[in-house]
Amino acid sequence: EDKVVQSPLSLVVHEGDTVTLNCSYEVTNFRSLLWYKQEKKAPTFLFMLTSSGIEKKSGRLSSILDKKELFSILNITATQTGDSAVYLCAVANTDKLIFGTGTRLQVFP
Amino acid sequence: NAGVMQNPRHLVRRRGQEARLRCSPMKGHSHVYWYRQLPEEGLKFMVYLQKENIIDESGMPKERFSAEFPKEGPSILRIQQVVRGDSAAYFCASSPSRSTGNTIYFGEGSWLTVV
Repeated sequence: EDKVVQSPLSLVVHEGDTVTLNCSYEVTNFRSLLWYKQEKKAPTFLFMLTSSGIEKKSGRLSSILDKKELFSILNITATQTGDSAVYLCAVANTDKLIFGTGTRLQVFP
Repeated sequence: NAGVMQNPRHLVRRRGQEARLRCSPMKGHSHVYWYRQLPEEGLKFMVYLQKENIIDESGMPKERFSAEFPKEGPSILRIQQVVRGDSAAYFCASSPSRSTGNTIYFGEGSWLTVV
């Protein structure tokens, strides 16, 4: 059965800290891995990764994929209170997205 | 170009009633996906539809749940005889083609509360 596992389940940090969120997967017919941010509404797209070893960056967020070891990490540097959200990892196969349960990040001032 | 439109945004139903959730995909999108998110959990795939066809319903509960995407009009997720465990956020997503990835767009969700 296809599965996506995220860790940690939750994380509490202070502003300015750097965090690393993990996502491992076992999915047949892998097409891509995606990261989303969810704040009590629809998930908003962050990154799509298809190739190993190529880092994607957007401001303080970055992500990388390892297709050999079947995992990805999402890094957030210099965290801000606005980064507080649930971060979802999803793997796309030929038909659909398979989501992990998410990592709840809380950033306190 | 409007995004994926879902309605109602919030729905309250008593146990045993029916819930109908509607999803209008983005213009030009003919592929629709429904996901369910229980409190404190990730999104769980329910069903994937194209116009007039169910492509993959492997995530749909065997009873009480059905989905359609008619030739004209929105996609509808129907839950009959709702129970408290059906309380969740139901997200619809659409894409222009079968390939998933960053071409899939989510609606704002429909929050169902069963009392």
